[in-house]
Amino acid sequence: AQKITQTQPGMFVQEKEAVTLDCTYDTSDQSYGLFWYKQPSSGEMIFLIYQGSYDEQNATEGRYSLNFQKARKSANLVISASQLGDSAMYFCAMRERGSNFGNEKLTFGTGTRLTIIP
Amino acid sequence: NAGVTQTPKFRVLKTGQSMTLLCAQDMNHEYMYWYRQDPGMGLRLIHYSVGEGTTAKGEVPDGYNVSRLKKQNFLLGLESAAPSQTSVYFCASSYRTGGEQYFGPGTRLTVT
Repeated sequence: AQKITQTQPGMFVQEKEAVTLDCTYDTSDQSYGLFWYKQPSSGEMIFLIYQGSYDEQNATEGRYSLNFQKARKSANLVISASQLGDSAMYFCAMRERGSNFGNEKLTFGTGTRLTIIP
Repeated sequence: NAGVTQTPKFRVLKTGQSMTLLCAQDMNHEYMYWYRQDPGMGLRLIHYSVGEGTTAKGEVPDGYNVSRLKKQNFLLGLESAAPSQTSVYFCASSYRTGGEQYFGPGTRLTVT
């Protein structure tokens, strides 16, 4: 079963509008973390935001916020007031503790390609 | 402060040739990772290291070997390259287990 699911392969959004990128996850751990990364056309992976499973408030970083709904196992990325520079691939990732304490790894989704239209 | 660097940026190999990809980080991170990125498949973990002198297998380790002789360097080797290993390879490091990972710029490898 997919641990991280990103159901939107591509999205087109008008500049200055808000955009929500979907991410659902599957884990039986109580302690886990969710990350969002941005990959522009230049290829590098840029960390955007992190949410821990025990964090009571949704994480925010500037124009990025993470809409964390634990019961639904979703961790959607919200970008407010989109800009042309937001056009990129966006990846959701999860780290789990499981039985591998000290060896926690990230599992990535397949990504969503966001295109901002002027 | 260069962060995570990767050498080379591009490489073309013939089937059966060998090569080593070098990853270096200057952040004193204990944890280092090698991923491959293929279209439509996201990033998949090849091997990782939790400290100098240690390595472990990830999700797709077959056909690759790694070494971490120095804390700042993590090498990925292909002993006999195959066309299925055509991919973009990313190295990453983190300061703690399960923490935010910092990525290098990637190496685009083509095996013909």
